[in-house]
Amino acid sequence: ETGVTQTPRHLVMGMTNKKSLKCEQHLGHNAMYWYKQSAKKPLELMFVYSLEERVENNSVPSRFSPECPNSSHLFLHLHTLQPEDSALYLCASSQEGLRQGDNEQFFGPGTRLTVL
Amino acid sequence: SQQGEEDPQALSIQEGENATMNCSYKTSINNLQWYRQNSGRGLVHLILIRSNEREKHSGRLRVTLDTSKKSSSLLITASRAADTASYFCVTVGAGSYQLTFGKGTKLSVIP
Repeated sequence: ETGVTQTPRHLVMGMTNKKSLKCEQHLGHNAMYWYKQSAKKPLELMFVYSLEERVENNSVPSRFSPECPNSSHLFLHLHTLQPEDSALYLCASSQEGLRQGDNEQFFGPGTRLTVL
Repeated sequence: SQQGEEDPQALSIQEGENATMNCSYKTSINNLQWYRQNSGRGLVHLILIRSNEREKHSGRLRVTLDTSKKSSSLLITASRAADTASYFCVTVGAGSYQLTFGKGTKLSVIP
């Protein structure tokens, strides 16, 4: 257990559905991240929240909408997804200090998403 | 691109042998990290080495960093079957939150 939990672990949805992925960290960290891991592609950073403010958004389509209501919780709201969005979605957290990116990230187990 | 490229893409060794994985990257970095991913434990941080460090040890792991050659290596000594996993070299640029993952080295340790 890394101290980062994600629900659900598996999700199958149609292209017209709306669903949300949830991430919770129990480590007292101040930064949280969403990553996408597709088959045969490197892990891609989607969003970064530091102190509950979004600090990076890596050209992610608007059908993915993140929300960070507090430092322990992170959501990824999904709507009108495409089959190519099927992937493993990983959440991570870290404790960031003066030097950004200078600490390890702790990853959750991921949500395996299938879009039909 | 800052993305690290691991070499080899796949490695198969006998239990007890040492495993060496290499990583090359293209731009200047703040630090370089190695992560491991397997189906049982997910993606786990192994070790972080900062740009002003040359070598670091953690248990059976030894990491080196050569910023002049923009390369790093991960050595796992006395490998075990439980070390079977994909290993990722991850670079972090200065002033960035972004971890840039390579495609990984798939290590198989045969009992």
